Amino acid sequence: GAVVSQHPSWVICKSGTSVKIECRSLDFQATTMFWYRQFPKQSLMLMATSNEGSKATYEQGVEKDKFLINHASLTLSTLTVTSAHPEDSSFYICSATPGTDTGELFFGEGSRLTVL
Amino acid sequence: KQEVTQIPAALSVPEGENLVLNCSFTDSAIYNLQWFRQDPGKGLTSLLLIQSSQREQTSGRLNASLDKSSGRSTLYIAASQPGDSATYLCAATGNQFYFGTGTSLTVIP
Repeated sequence: GAVVSQHPSWVICKSGTSVKIECRSLDFQATTMFWYRQFPKQSLMLMATSNEGSKATYEQGVEKDKFLINHASLTLSTLTVTSAHPEDSSFYICSATPGTDTGELFFGEGSRLTVL
Repeated sequence: KQEVTQIPAALSVPEGENLVLNCSFTDSAIYNLQWFRQDPGKGLTSLLLIQSSQREQTSGRLNASLDKSSGRSTLYIAASQPGDSATYLCAATGNQFYFGTGTSLTVIP
């Protein structure tokens, strides 16, 4: 299957700093990538849909100025958590679809963010 | 809005048992249904994808079925092993991807 890579897998930062998480599709081009947040023992919560070359579409309740998403190329999308606070600590996961007829979705390994 | 429900939320079985995980969705106008596995602290691994025109898909000990008219999908795991212990998520694809809340499976050696 297709491979999606996330980096970093684990990051700890101080409150008030910004953190960037990268999501790369390694062996396919992804016009659309998705960013999720997952709290312990809960399912995925879609944060935003990232489209290459255009602005991301944010889900209701997600602060677009806090969670900056950039999809500058067909293989890379980034999520920047700006002015991070402890309540932003979470597991962030990206996914991508090659856009084939099957619409199959492939996920990154996730990034654990801890804000002190 | 599509709602996806998974039952049971947690399941514990002895090694070797066959088991069924259930996924139900409210809007039958889906493009496909995909089953994933998530290990603790990890991302999701795609297990099986059933397109809307298909009834089932098989991979090894896994078999997934889809009944769009009743809004149900099942994941059958044969001869369960301790390594199958994980959280299993289903996702229905329409205009967006809608995830269920997952079933946490524990296979006891």
